[in-house]
Amino acid sequence: EAQVTQNPRYLITVTGKKLTVTCSQNMNHEYMSWYRQDPGLGLRQIYYSMNVEVTDKGDVPEGYKVSRKEKRNFPLILESPSPNQTSLYFCASSFRTSGTVYNEQFFGPGTRLTVL
Amino acid sequence: AQSVAQPEDQVNVAEGNPLTVKCTYSVSGNPYLFWYVQYPNRGLQFLLKYITGDNLVKGSYGFEAEFNKSQTSFHLKKPSALVSDSALYFCAVRAPPDRGSTLGRLYFGRGTQLTVWP
Repeated sequence: EAQVTQNPRYLITVTGKKLTVTCSQNMNHEYMSWYRQDPGLGLRQIYYSMNVEVTDKGDVPEGYKVSRKEKRNFPLILESPSPNQTSLYFCASSFRTSGTVYNEQFFGPGTRLTVL
Repeated sequence: AQSVAQPEDQVNVAEGNPLTVKCTYSVSGNPYLFWYVQYPNRGLQFLLKYITGDNLVKGSYGFEAEFNKSQTSFHLKKPSALVSDSALYFCAVRAPPDRGSTLGRLYFGRGTQLTVWP
């Protein structure tokens, strides 16, 4: 089954304790992205990756890191989490058709993170 | 700057009536436009998109949307609403690969909660 998986689905942690949220897709998509969803703010893009070893900042990259060493994986790293990073996080992937046209995104189920 | 606006936080409609969820955008050049739906405790699901071609696009579950370049709008519509359509709807825009835009950036609206009552 074609899908985007995220782990963990729920996480409660404390301020300053490094954590990683994994994201994996099995569709051979070039493009992957991370978003956070907060009430009243919709989805905001954190980081995205156009291909292996190619990453760039989105709207709200502060406090986050990413890496893209393999095409299927795109982990999100919080080196020193703070309470304002409490949110619902989504990973997504997308494919490219002709030229530079990127199509719709496939979303993971989400990771609900609470930082105390 | 690229942006998307969904002017209504909530839309309420009776089952069987037509529904419209509004979206306007601001982007340089011709945009790529998308609608997604989110059911409670679920990730987002793709509904439909406009890349190029016909201004009226049809998508999943009987939804359609019309691209209006002069009004910079991409409203989501359905002729007859179902209770099961109740969900959170997001409009999104990706800037085109020209004029120095960053192709990888995707901008979402704040979402519109659609409630269809029986």
